Amino acid sequence: QVQLQESGPGLVKPPRGLSLTCTVYGDSVTSGNKFWSWIRQTPGKSLEWIGNVQNGGSPYYKPSLEGRVSMSLDTAKNQISVTLTSLTAADTAVYYCARYVPTFCSAHVCSGFYLDTWGQGHLVTVSS
Amino acid sequence: QSALTQPASVSGSPGQSITISCSGGGGVVGSYFLVSWFQQHPAKPPKLIIFGDTERPSGVSPRFSGSKSGDTAYLTISGLQAADEADYFCCTSGTNIVFGGGTSLTVL
Repeated sequence: QVQLQESGPGLVKPPRGLSLTCTVYGDSVTSGNKFWSWIRQTPGKSLEWIGNVQNGGSPYYKPSLEGRVSMSLDTAKNQISVTLTSLTAADTAVYYCARYVPTFCSAHVCSGFYLDTWGQGHLVTVSS
Repeated sequence: QSALTQPASVSGSPGQSITISCSGGGGVVGSYFLVSWFQQHPAKPPKLIIFGDTERPSGVSPRFSGSKSGDTAYLTISGLQAADEADYFCCTSGTNIVFGGGTSLTVL
């Protein structure tokens, strides 16, 4: 059974940055044909995708967060991390990591990706 | 990609069926972009209930079904139960992942 667990600070002062880690159990971050995602949920319940990262590939991010966000994999620890800089109160949210897997693959080309497994989430409050 | 539009709330009585719509402009819901649906209870993470427009993950009740017509996807819950009271989100993925605003389901 695949499980994901987020960790990191719960309170951050603006305009500092934030780094969160997601530890994966029951799967390997290096296994093929899947991505690892970060998503956040605001206090108003809106879900916002932050970005995806895949072993051996370049991460890609929500365009409006480009320049403030970076994601990486630690294959030795089987972890995914995200860093978000220049925080404001608008970055207050529950941060989730999730696994992003394909619906089907053919000749090494995969498509129809979806988020099948989520962590429990980690609340981050940005406040002075 | 454009955001996805869902009704803010729906309600139904136990045993009834309800349908939640998810519409997107710019072709974000169409033949190319597949839709998934999530159920979220308070203080819990979203749980996948439909992927690939119509597929149910193992362990998800057959009372949950997904469909799509043109630029709108639908989630139907039949035989409503009290435990179905939750928030429901649609999601589509192309270059970027896009979520709907969520629909709060009340079981009367």
